[in-house]
Amino acid sequence: EADIYQTPRYLVIGTGKKITLECSQTMGHDKMYWYQQDPGMELHLIHYSYGVNSTEKGDLSSESTVSRIRTEHFPLTLESARPSHTSQYLCASSESRGGDTGELFFGEGSRLTVL
Amino acid sequence: AQSVTQLGSHVSVSEGALVLLRCNYSSSVPPYLFWYVQYPNQGLQLLLKYTSAATLVKGINGFEAEFKKSETSFHLTKPSAHMSDAAEYFCAVSNQAGTALIFGKGTTLSVSS
Repeated sequence: EADIYQTPRYLVIGTGKKITLECSQTMGHDKMYWYQQDPGMELHLIHYSYGVNSTEKGDLSSESTVSRIRTEHFPLTLESARPSHTSQYLCASSESRGGDTGELFFGEGSRLTVL
Repeated sequence: AQSVTQLGSHVSVSEGALVLLRCNYSSSVPPYLFWYVQYPNQGLQLLLKYTSAATLVKGINGFEAEFKKSETSFHLTKPSAHMSDAAEYFCAVSNQAGTALIFGKGTTLSVSS
C-alpha cells in the first residue's frame, strides 16, 4: 500500500495569499512529481524531482515553485495565489531507479480554491 | 512526442455488462503504458501496466488490457461490471525521456443496476 500524504486536502483562500501544499512519502522513493488536474482535462505535470536538491519544471508552465530538501518531502508553494490557480494538485512518487518512469503512487490530492 | 487519446469521456453500462474503455497512444519508442483509476475525492490508483513482457496484461479488480501495436491501442476491459467500478479511468504513457507519465483526459464510467 502506498504511503504518500498530502495536506491540506481542501483549501479556500483569498487572492494574493501565499500557500504551501505539503507532500510527504514514507517509501524512500527518489522520484517525486506534482500534477495539476482540472475536470475533463488531462493531468498536467508541473514539477518533478529525481532526488534531494533536484527539481525540474514539467510540461505545463506553472507559477508555483517546489523544493526537495529531504527525500520524503516535496512541498509546492504559490507566492501569491490567484483565481487562475484554482485546481486540484496531485503529488506522486515512483520507486523506479532506471530509465523508465515506473509505477507512480499518488496522494489523495489537494483541492485549492482561490477567491 | 508521446501522447494518449481516450475515446469517450463518459461510458455507461449496466451491472454485469462488459466494460470497454478505449485508449490509443502515440509513441516514437516502445511504450510503457498504464491504466489508473480514480474514485471520488481520492488520488489515482494503478490498475495495470504494460512493460513489453506480455501483450495481455491482467490487473486488479478483474480488469485487463491488451496491447496492440498495429492499432496503437491499449483498451481496458472487464467482462462483468460491478457497481463499485464506477469511477474515472485514466490511460497513461511514459514520456520519451522516461521522466514522467503523460495522461489522457480520462473516461468516467457509470454503472447502473
